[in-house]
Amino acid sequence: DSGVTQTPKHLITATGQRVTLRCSPRSGDLSVYWYQQSLDQGLQFLIQYYNGEERAKGNILERFSAQQFPDLHSELNLSSLELGDSALYFCASSVAPRGDEKLFFGSGTQLSVL
Amino acid sequence: EDKVVQSPLSLVVHEGDTVTLNCSYEVTNFRSLLWYKQEKKAPTFLFMLTSSGIEKKSGRLSSILDKKELSSILNITATQTGDSAIYLCAGGTSYGKLTFGQGTILTVHP
Repeated sequence: DSGVTQTPKHLITATGQRVTLRCSPRSGDLSVYWYQQSLDQGLQFLIQYYNGEERAKGNILERFSAQQFPDLHSELNLSSLELGDSALYFCASSVAPRGDEKLFFGSGTQLSVL
Repeated sequence: EDKVVQSPLSLVVHEGDTVTLNCSYEVTNFRSLLWYKQEKKAPTFLFMLTSSGIEKKSGRLSSILDKKELSSILNITATQTGDSAIYLCAGGTSYGKLTFGQGTILTVHP
C-alpha cells in the first residue's frame, strides 16, 4: 500500500458527461500528480500541483481541469467525456516539488466512457 | 518533445532465466532516470539513477545509467513468476516532469 488513496476505483459513464476523480496523497506529501494510462499511449503526465499551486502541466486537455485543496487532497475533473477518454487515471504524490523524484502511485481510477 | 522508448515491448521467459530490459531517452533538461514495476494497478518504485556508470542493486534486480548513450538497462537475474509485470522506465527533468516509456511486459513461466 503506497499510502495514496484514489476514489472511486471504477467509474462507468456516458459520452458528454462530467466526472470527478479524487486523490488523497500520502501523509506529509505536498506534491500531487495526475497521470493517464491507456493501452496505446502508456502513462501520460497530465498535471502537477505543489502545496495548492499548479506547478507543471503536461498533455492535459482543455476539457480536463484539476485543483489541490488546502488539506492537500486533489480532484481531477473531466468534462464533455468522449470514448477516447476511457483510461486508467493515476494520482501520485511526493514530498518535494520536483517531478523527477520517487513518486508513490495510488491504485488508479478505471474510467469507462460508453 | 521528450521521448522515452523501451525495448523489448514484451518478453516471455522461464523461471531462472536472466533478462535485460532496455530504455533510451531524449529528455530536455534531463536529471534522472527512474524504473517502476507495475503489477496489477499502481506502479511501484524500483530505482532512480542520476549518475552515469553507477549500478544500483536491489536483490536480483540491478540497473545502470549511461548518460553518453542516453540509455539505461534493468537486469533481473534468476527470474521468478512473481517478476511478471510491466516494467516502466521514465525520464525526469529538472523542472518537474516525468516522461514514461510504453513499458516492457515481462512474463515469467514456471
